[in-house]
Parts: sequence; C-alpha cells; structure tokens
Amino acid sequence: GAGVSQSPSNKVTEKGKDVELRCDPISGHTALYWYRQSLGQGLEFLIYFQGNSAPDKSGLPSDRFSAERTGGSVSTLTIQRTQQEDSAVYLCASSLRLAGATDTQYFGPGTRLTVL
Amino acid sequence: DQQVKQNSPSLSVQEGRISILNCDYTNSMFDYFLWYKKYPAEGPTFLISISSIKDKNEDGRFTVFLNKSAKHLSLHIVPSQPGDSAVYFCAASGLGRGGSNYKLTFGKGTLLTVNP
Repeated sequence: GAGVSQSPSNKVTEKGKDVELRCDPISGHTALYWYRQSLGQGLEFLIYFQGNSAPDKSGLPSDRFSAERTGGSVSTLTIQRTQQEDSAVYLCASSLRLAGATDTQYFGPGTRLTVL
Repeated sequence: DQQVKQNSPSLSVQEGRISILNCDYTNSMFDYFLWYKKYPAEGPTFLISISSIKDKNEDGRFTVFLNKSAKHLSLHIVPSQPGDSAVYFCAASGLGRGGSNYKLTFGKGTLLTVNP
C-alpha cells in the first residue's frame, strides 16, 4: 500500500513569496502531523490534525504559517511571506488514530524548502 | 531548551560489532520513547519503542534500554550491518511541560556508519 506522500519534493522560492506544501496521508489514517527539520536540528513539531480539525497549533512558528486539512485526507501547509529562516525540510506524518504516541507515526519523504 | 539530546553526532562501527546509540532527556514527564531511522532523501521510519514502565524492549537485532533514574536511553544494534547505516533519531512524548501524548520531541540525530 502507498505510504505518506508529499509534494513538491523540493521547492526554491524567493523571500517574501507564499508557498504551499501538500501532504497525502496513508488512506484511512485519521491523524496527521506536520514537523520541520532545520539544518543540524531535530524534527520540530508544528501542528496536528484529528480529522479536519487542528486542536493544537502551538508549534506553528508565526502567524505566517497556516495549515488545513480537507475531507479527512489531504493537508496543505501554507507559509506566507517566506523568510530565509523558513528554509528547512517539512515532514508530514500520519497515524491510524490519535491515541497517544503508541500509535505509530508514519512519515513522508519531506519537502525541502529553500528561501533565497 | 533541548529536551531530548543525542550528544554524539556520528558513530562508526565495524560490521558484525555492536552499535550503541545514546539519548538523554530532561523532561521527567516523558513516558514513551521511540527510535526512528532515516535514510537520505527519505522520511524517518519507526524502528522500536519503549514505555516508561519497562526498562528493556527487544526486536530482533534491536534492543532499547531505558534508565529512568538517569533519564537515559540507548539503542543497541547487534550485529551491525552495512544496511544499518543511517541517521538515528531518538524521540519522546508525554504529558509534561509543552508535551502531549502525541507530540513527539526529537533529538538532533546520530549518523551511524557501519563499515564492511
């Protein structure tokens, strides 16, 4: 079966532009997560969805970041007015349920964002 | 502050020998710990986990040890194989400060190289 897919795999943009990153979770997974990994750092939690709702947005770095999920499936992470410090690999994960960490999170390959 | 620390950025071992990857954490409310493996250009893949009620969990060549009093866990791979060469991330979750039972807090990773 298909795993988590993300698009694009690479994105180069100019400072100040808006970008959209897409995540297709594993079919049937109700929980979806976004993380990012900056150079030399561990993965940093951004936001999670249970169904289409995002109860915890505390990890979003600023109000330039937003995310939505539609139909309990595809999710889009949008970064407005990108800054150079937004350059990172953005990773999406999904799990069957949101039942604690015991529900394994399966990660996609990530989108490498470079802001010039 | 970094709540999950992997102090060794890299480790090199010979094929057939034991690899020991270490991880320390500071948040005493973490109660579930995971190891993920990551190959270049791929997302992290779940390897093994341990609950805080245990001190050891074994799965084939992989064993995770947890020392709660020292807030330390380690991943043992024996025997190591060249295909094990990857970045290994330690992650934790729990209902502590800034935590949740679904939000994973990751270390920065350790690059393991297994030489033939």
